[in-house]
Amino acid sequence: QVTLKESGPVLVKPTETLTLTCTVSGFSLSNGRLGVSWIRQPPGKALEWLAHIFSNDVFSNDEKSYNASLERRLTISRDTSKSQVVLTMTNMDPVDTGTYYCARMITVTTEIDTWGQGTLVTVSS
Amino acid sequence: QSALTQPASVSGSPGQSITISCTGTSSDIGDYNYVSWYQQHPNRAPKVVIFDVSNRPSGVAERFSGSKSGNTASLTISGLQAEDEADYYCSSYTRSSTVVFGGGTRLTVL
Repeated sequence: QVTLKESGPVLVKPTETLTLTCTVSGFSLSNGRLGVSWIRQPPGKALEWLAHIFSNDVFSNDEKSYNASLERRLTISRDTSKSQVVLTMTNMDPVDTGTYYCARMITVTTEIDTWGQGTLVTVSS
Repeated sequence: QSALTQPASVSGSPGQSITISCTGTSSDIGDYNYVSWYQQHPNRAPKVVIFDVSNRPSGVAERFSGSKSGNTASLTISGLQAEDEADYYCSSYTRSSTVVFGGGTRLTVL
């Protein structure tokens, strides 16, 4: 059974850095056909794709991609041995409040076939 | 990368058919057959109902179908049921190797 679970702080202060961890099971982060994405959703608003990461089997490195409007604030990384993907977002603002999801993505087609339950992050002083 | 454009809301009666459109550009929907549709019930994580424009994952009802013409993709739900009432989002791969979602459409079953 494929599962993904987000963990991290529920409350962060403005200007702080958010660090979220996604722990996966049921598949390997070394599988180049499968990646992990982060998506967020402000309360009552639409989904917004943030970033994804997957293994490039040809060049034996990580392929990373970021939402262009947030790229300078985002960093995504993975620890295959721990089956974890980490997202950091710097300089948090109240508008960044929302539910943050990690999800498994089919690399070639970008279909998200499995989602985590999501974690609500509130930015407030 | 701007969000894909979806109608804010659609509605239909049980048994009827509805179609939700998703308009992008030649740099996303128009350039790739990598359009997905997600259903999201309140306070739940989204669930994929269509991938690669028109493919249905196992377990998704045959009432859900997808298509694409030019820069616009569409999701059609036939034989509407009360349980179909939810928010629906489209997404597409883009020429920048990123993903973009639509603004979401609330489906109301009257």
